[in-house]
Amino acid sequence: EPEVTQTPSHQVTQMGQEVILRCVPISNHLYFYWYRQILGQKVEFLVSFYNNEISEKSEIFDDQFSVERPDGSNFTLKIRSTKLEDSAMYFCASSGRTNYNSPLHFGNGTRLTVT
Amino acid sequence: TQLLEQSPQFLSIQEGENLTVYCNSSSVFSSLQWYRQEPGEGPVLLVTVVTGGEVKKLKRLTFQFGDARKDSSLHITAAQPGDTGLYLCAGRGGSEKLVFGKGMKLTVNP
Repeated sequence: EPEVTQTPSHQVTQMGQEVILRCVPISNHLYFYWYRQILGQKVEFLVSFYNNEISEKSEIFDDQFSVERPDGSNFTLKIRSTKLEDSAMYFCASSGRTNYNSPLHFGNGTRLTVT
Repeated sequence: TQLLEQSPQFLSIQEGENLTVYCNSSSVFSSLQWYRQEPGEGPVLLVTVVTGGEVKKLKRLTFQFGDARKDSSLHITAAQPGDTGLYLCAGRGGSEKLVFGKGMKLTVNP
C-alpha cells in the first residue's frame, strides 16, 4: 500500500537555526498537510496546501514557518529560526480529496529537537 | 475554538475484557474520525463517521457518532494485546483541519 514518507526521522538543531522537514506524499494525492505533536500534548494542525498554495493555516503557523512543493513530489516545511518550543513530532499527511469523509494518510513523523 | 475531550486518558485491562472510549465536545462536527497511533509512528485511520447516530463496526471495534454530532464512542469487545496503542478521535467542523483529542492510551495485558 502506498505510504507517506518523511525524512529525517530525527533532527537535532540549535536554537535560531533553520530546519527543513521533508515529506513525500502519496503520489496521486492533491491535498497536503502538516501537523505537530508536542510531547504529551494533542496533535495540532499547522497548515493545509492545495494547488501550490496554502489553503488554511493555524495561529501556530506564523512567519517563521513556510511550506513548499518544489518539484511535484516533495512537500517541505521550513522553520526559519527555531525556538526551544518548536521541539515536537512533525507529521506530514496527504489526502486524495477534501470532503468531510476524506481520510488523511500520515507519515511516521520527524522528531525535531531544538537545543 | 473547537475542542475534543477524550476519556479515559489511560486504561490498562486484561485480555478478554470490554472497554469503551468516549470523545466529547460542545461543538458540532461534520465528521469524526478515529485513529490509532503506535509509538514512533503516525496516526492510522480506523473509521470515519458522518451521520448523526451512525454506527460502524470494524471486527471487534464498534464506533458510534452521537445524534447531535458532538460526541462519539469506540467500544472494543474482548480486547487483545494487539489492541494496545493510542486511540485518537479527530473531528472536522467545516474547514479542512482536523481537531484532535488528546488520545486514550490503552494497554491490554495477556
